[in-house]
Amino acid sequence: AQSVTQLDSHVSVSEGTPVLLRCNYSSSYSPSLFWYVQHPNKGLQLLLKYTSAATLVKGINGFEAEFKKSETSFHLTKPSAHMSDAAEYFCVVSVGAAGNKLTFGGGTRVLVKP
Amino acid sequence: GAVVSQHPSRVICKSGTSVKIECRSLDFQATTMFWYRQFPKQSLMLMATSNEGSKATYEQGVEKDKFLINHASLTLSTLTVTSAHPEDSSFYICSAMGLAGASTYEQYFGPGTRLTVT
Repeated sequence: AQSVTQLDSHVSVSEGTPVLLRCNYSSSYSPSLFWYVQHPNKGLQLLLKYTSAATLVKGINGFEAEFKKSETSFHLTKPSAHMSDAAEYFCVVSVGAAGNKLTFGGGTRVLVKP
Repeated sequence: GAVVSQHPSRVICKSGTSVKIECRSLDFQATTMFWYRQFPKQSLMLMATSNEGSKATYEQGVEKDKFLINHASLTLSTLTVTSAHPEDSSFYICSAMGLAGASTYEQYFGPGTRLTVT
């Protein structure tokens, strides 16, 4: 079985300051991990993914995440938040390939203050 | 590339009627498509996995007779909500599995369909 826990349901940051979204996972096998972003009433856009290559993964729009097996974590960061980063973010785990069944975390809503 | 569309984007129907939602992979062939449901301010829950030419596999707790899934071609899967009730109101999102590289696959998500049952 696999599961994902996003530790913060809401995160509020000021524009230009760093963003940290925390994610812990549980998986019986080597997981693939993803971060998706969802803007209001929109579908999901893939930010980045980890599939057993480099543990530090760089994604789109300046986001990156680090896979830490010892901590079972896959936290998402961005050095400087932009107003357009205000959205819902989902940490997702999949056992095996990316095309397999995805398990979503509860989501973190990011608010960016001017 | 790797675009997935859904139609309609929004639909309002009366209680007791049926509604069909289409999910299309526009520029690739998808042997597998997935259907998710998202309640307001909540995460996505997988409803079923749809393989082209075979019966869908439903997640525990999802009524297969209520949520009919058909995957008749490599580019189209449909979800029909039968005898809809207000509690079926939700945001339905599909994804299609396609090649992301030489040998890796990825799920590409559609923009979602907002269903409101009155």
